[in-house]
Amino acid sequence: EVQLLESGGGLVQPGGSLRLSCAASGFTFSTYAMSWVRQAPGKGLEWVSAVSGSDGSTYYADSVKGRFTISRDNSKNTLYLQMNSLRAEDTAVYYCAKWNRGWYYYGMDVWGQGTTVTVSS
Amino acid sequence: QSALTQPPSASGSPGQSVTISCTGTSSDVGHYNYVSWYQQHPGKAPKLMIYEVTKRPSGVPDRFSGSKSGNTASLTVSGLQAEDEADYYCSSYAGSNNLVFGGGTKLTVL
Repeated sequence: EVQLLESGGGLVQPGGSLRLSCAASGFTFSTYAMSWVRQAPGKGLEWVSAVSGSDGSTYYADSVKGRFTISRDNSKNTLYLQMNSLRAEDTAVYYCAKWNRGWYYYGMDVWGQGTTVTVSS
Repeated sequence: QSALTQPPSASGSPGQSVTISCTGTSSDVGHYNYVSWYQQHPGKAPKLMIYEVTKRPSGVPDRFSGSKSGNTASLTVSGLQAEDEADYYCSSYAGSNNLVFGGGTKLTVL
C-alpha cells in the first residue's frame, strides 16, 4: 500500500525551529517529486515547497523562502522540512504529498494525514 | 503569487450537476495545462480528482470532469451524490517553479 506518514509537528515559540519528517512506503520513493502543502486553521491549501525526484532540485513559495529547507533521503525513503524563524502565520497542518510524475506534472496523487505545527508564545 | 479565485460555496440536489469555477490569469491557468482539482472531506487529507485540466486518476468516478477556457478552469460533478459533499480546491502551475491554489469551494448536496 502506498503511504506517507508525517511526524515532527508540535508547539514552538515564534522565532523557533522545527523539523518535519515524512516516511514513504509502497512506491519507489527516489523516482518521484515530493511537496509540502499546508493548511492554516479554517483556511485553504497553500503550497510550501517541492523537491524533484531526479536531481533533488528544490523549490519554495515566497512566503517561506529563506526560512524553510526541503530535503530528502532516498536511502531512508524520507522527506524532510526544516523550518526556521517560525512565525505565527506558519501555524497550520502540514501535509506531505507525492507528485504523480515530475514536479508540477500530473498532480499530487498521494497525501499523508498531516502533522500540526503551532507557533505561539 | 495570488491565489486562484473560486466561489466560496456551491450546491445542488442529488442527481443534479454542479460546476465549480477557478479563475486565474494568463500567467497561470491561462498559460499552462497543469490545473488539478482536489477533494477534501472535513478532517481528512486532500484527494486528487483531476489533473492536467481534464484527466482523471484511476478510481475517480467519471461523474467528475474538468475543463478550461481562457483563464478559467472548471470542475463539473454530474449525478451528485451525498458523498460528494466536501471542499474542492483547484491548483495551477504558475511558472518560475511556483504552484498556486484556489481559495476552495464548499460543495453542499442539498
